[in-house]
Amino acid sequence: EIVLTQSPATLSLSPGERATLSCRASQSISIFLAWYQQKPGQAPRLLIYDASTRATGIPARFSGSGSGTDFTLTISSLESEDFAVYYCQQRSDWPLTFGGGTKVEIK
Amino acid sequence: EVQMLESGGGLVQPGGSLRLSCGASGFTFGSHAMSWVRQAPGKGLEWVSSISGSGGSTYYADSVKGRFTISRDNSKNTLHLQMNSLRAEDTAAYYCARCERGNTALAHLGYWGQGTLVSVSS
Repeated sequence: EIVLTQSPATLSLSPGERATLSCRASQSISIFLAWYQQKPGQAPRLLIYDASTRATGIPARFSGSGSGTDFTLTISSLESEDFAVYYCQQRSDWPLTFGGGTKVEIK
Repeated sequence: EVQMLESGGGLVQPGGSLRLSCGASGFTFGSHAMSWVRQAPGKGLEWVSSISGSGGSTYYADSVKGRFTISRDNSKNTLHLQMNSLRAEDTAAYYCARCERGNTALAHLGYWGQGTLVSVSS
């Protein structure tokens, strides 16, 4: 099973700051990584797929990078609606796996 | 507009069964693989099961293999998850989600339902 490790567990930032979230895979997954945002009481929302492609309707302040085992989600300037939990997910092999999540909270 | 609506959750005793359903609309259902993902209270996301668009291929997490069965009825645009021999650790919100690589289930998940809660307790 491919294990995804997200860091940090919690990121405390102010609106307007840059957020950098990390996801590391236990083995190479090429670019087959997606990022999701989840707010309390809501379903996850797809942000990024194939490491760097923004999903439909996702603002340009969200960007993804990486390949192999190391991936990054960057939010260039945090808006109030961006404070949420973020998960990564790999589609390189079965079983599909998710990272443990990074909570981006207001400082 | 793509929409999925889950139903069938509830309170069940350990060892019991439940059948979850997910009604889909706004897209050609049979052209997309589908998945179930769950989230225990206060925890992260856990993939449960996936099925190809045709229904010919199914996949399961080890934690549910042999107890859960995924199926679909493309004529009714509906996805199902039959859950047997339920355990306390199956307590979670269960989401259905559309796989975004056509018929292929090894995919990212582009659209999600709002979830249905399953609680396993005596």
